[in-house]
Amino acid sequence: DAGVIQSPRHEVTEMGQEVTLRCKPISGHNSLFWYRQTMMRGLELLIYFNNNVPIDDSGMPEDRFSAKMPNASFSTLKIQPSEPRDSAVYFCASSPRDRGGDGYTFGSGTRLTVV
Amino acid sequence: DQQVKQNSPSLSVQEGRISILNCDYTNSMFDYFLWYKKYPAEGPTFLISISSIKDKNEDGRFTVFLNKSAKHLSLHIVPSQPGDSAVYFCAASVGAGNMLTFGGGTRLMVKP
Repeated sequence: DAGVIQSPRHEVTEMGQEVTLRCKPISGHNSLFWYRQTMMRGLELLIYFNNNVPIDDSGMPEDRFSAKMPNASFSTLKIQPSEPRDSAVYFCASSPRDRGGDGYTFGSGTRLTVV
Repeated sequence: DQQVKQNSPSLSVQEGRISILNCDYTNSMFDYFLWYKKYPAEGPTFLISISSIKDKNEDGRFTVFLNKSAKHLSLHIVPSQPGDSAVYFCAASVGAGNMLTFGGGTRLMVKP
């Protein structure tokens, strides 16, 4: 089991550009979460999916952020247009539907820098 | 409005001594609490959890204490080892099967 796979590991982009972060959850996990880590706010939940359906996107900061899960093995988080304040580490996590927080498996994260 | 708070951004402890990491929460609906550990360039990994029906859970060198009346939990690591140096996140959920709300993290440094 390769775990949760995120790509790219690092992304540097210019303000105004579109950024797409990718996540492949663990096979068989029904829930997928996108988190953002910043110095000021720690780990913030942006959005989560159950069985590919977005359940709660109240953490998405604004309309520039969007997330999709077209199938059980792939999800994207898109920022368009990107701004310097979006610079952070973005984590994807997956979990079996019937497990609690101890069932979360996180990816290694994507470090985004917007200049 | 952060519902889970870790007020100490960092903690330094000597090897062999006890490390105590603290966490406070405001949402009285939270009934399941966890600690995650994060090394640089890696994602957080689950460490230990506790349900609100208990006030203590122990796993080897790690013990989590829950004080529901104070809405406070703590993680004790004894004895501390240099390999414990990491960022520790406190997390909480309403129900064990639901989404987690994390605190801001505490960076623990264990000095040899």
